[in-house]
Amino acid sequence: ETGVTQTPRHLVMGMTNKKSLKCEQHLGHNAMYWYKQSAKKPLELMFVYNFKEQTENNSVPSRFSPECPNSSHLFLHLHTLQPEDSALYLCASSPWVAGYNEQFFGPGTRLTVL
Amino acid sequence: KNEVEQSPQNLTAQEGEFITINCSYSVGISALHWLQQHPGGGIVSLFMLSSGKKKHGRLIATINIQEKHSSLHITASHPRDSAVYICAGNTGNQFYFGTGTSLTVIP
Repeated sequence: ETGVTQTPRHLVMGMTNKKSLKCEQHLGHNAMYWYKQSAKKPLELMFVYNFKEQTENNSVPSRFSPECPNSSHLFLHLHTLQPEDSALYLCASSPWVAGYNEQFFGPGTRLTVL
Repeated sequence: KNEVEQSPQNLTAQEGEFITINCSYSVGISALHWLQQHPGGGIVSLFMLSSGKKKHGRLIATINIQEKHSSLHITASHPRDSAVYICAGNTGNQFYFGTGTSLTVIP
């Protein structure tokens, strides 16, 4: 049990659907992250929230919309996705120590876009 | 070219063998991380280090700051060590990830 949970674990959606991924951490961390992992590629950092404020948005298309209502919860809202968005989406959290963040990962959501 | 390069990409070993996975990076970082990802996706942080060497059980991680190089060693490897091992460096929020080394340990 890593203390970071993600739901759902698997999601299949059509390109016109709207869905949301949820991440929750019970570790008392201040920072939360969304990553995309595609086959044979490095993990791609999508968004970073620190104390509920978004601090990084790595040129992610607007069809991905993050939301962080509090330090324990993070959402990724999905709409009009493309088949190439199919990937494993990982959430992580960390304590906020400048320059030295150990991350704790959730189990991921396997997303398939048809 | 990726900022973090790992070698080898794939590795098959017999149970009991000593294993080394290498990581080189080309950017300035505050810390170097070794992560383990099992089939199914879950990622576990194995080590975070900024200098020297760390040891947890059969796992040893070393880093050479001057050479921008880190190694992960597994002693007395076991089939349950089969996983993808990912090297990552970070400075603040900015993380740089390698593509991972897929390790298979055969009984």
